[in-house]
Amino acid sequence: DTGVSQNPRHKITKRGQNVTFRCDPISEHNRLYWYRQTLGQGPEFLTYFQNEAQLEKSRLLSDRFSAERPKGSFSTLEIQRTEQGDSAMYLCASSLGSGNTEAFFGQGTRLTVV
Amino acid sequence: AQSVTQLDSQVPVFEEAPVELRCNYSSSVSVYLFWYVQYPNQGLQLLLKYLSGSTLVKGINGFEAEFNKSQTSFHLRKPSVHISDTAEYFCAVSLNTGGFKTIFGAGTRLFVKA
Repeated sequence: DTGVSQNPRHKITKRGQNVTFRCDPISEHNRLYWYRQTLGQGPEFLTYFQNEAQLEKSRLLSDRFSAERPKGSFSTLEIQRTEQGDSAMYLCASSLGSGNTEAFFGQGTRLTVV
Repeated sequence: AQSVTQLDSQVPVFEEAPVELRCNYSSSVSVYLFWYVQYPNQGLQLLLKYLSGSTLVKGINGFEAEFNKSQTSFHLRKPSVHISDTAEYFCAVSLNTGGFKTIFGAGTRLFVKA
């Protein structure tokens, strides 16, 4: 098992463009989380999935953000009409269910909006 | 609501000296506690966790932390640091309920000097 995988590692986009990131969790993990981390800050929770169901969304997740986990395996995070304030590291994590709370993190996707 | 406060944004220390990184949390429900380390342009790596039992928890790379329920603290310690310990350290709590999402502190930058 290679751990949580995120693609791409880096993305530079022009303001107003749409971007999509992918996260492949550890195979047996049924929980998947998205976080955003800006410079000098800790990761901030965005949303989480239990299998394919999106069970919680942060108020940070504006209408321009959408996340999916269609088959309960990989997940995508799409940002529409990107703004400069969206520039951040987007981290994905996964964990087992049944009360085990240790989350394993991917290396993140660094988004730069120019 | 739950929150995590890391009391020092930066901690400079000489190599082979001891270090303590401070963390306080607040929560109305029981939580699990974690310390993660992040090297530049990398994801988060778990150093140690407290779920229950002994309040002194040992982790990787010679780090340990002590859970103090009365003071709602979970300070991280290492008796002798190395240059390679230079990184960002995040204290985090995970709610012992629901989706077990993780709430992070703002981080402490440990800078080990030769």
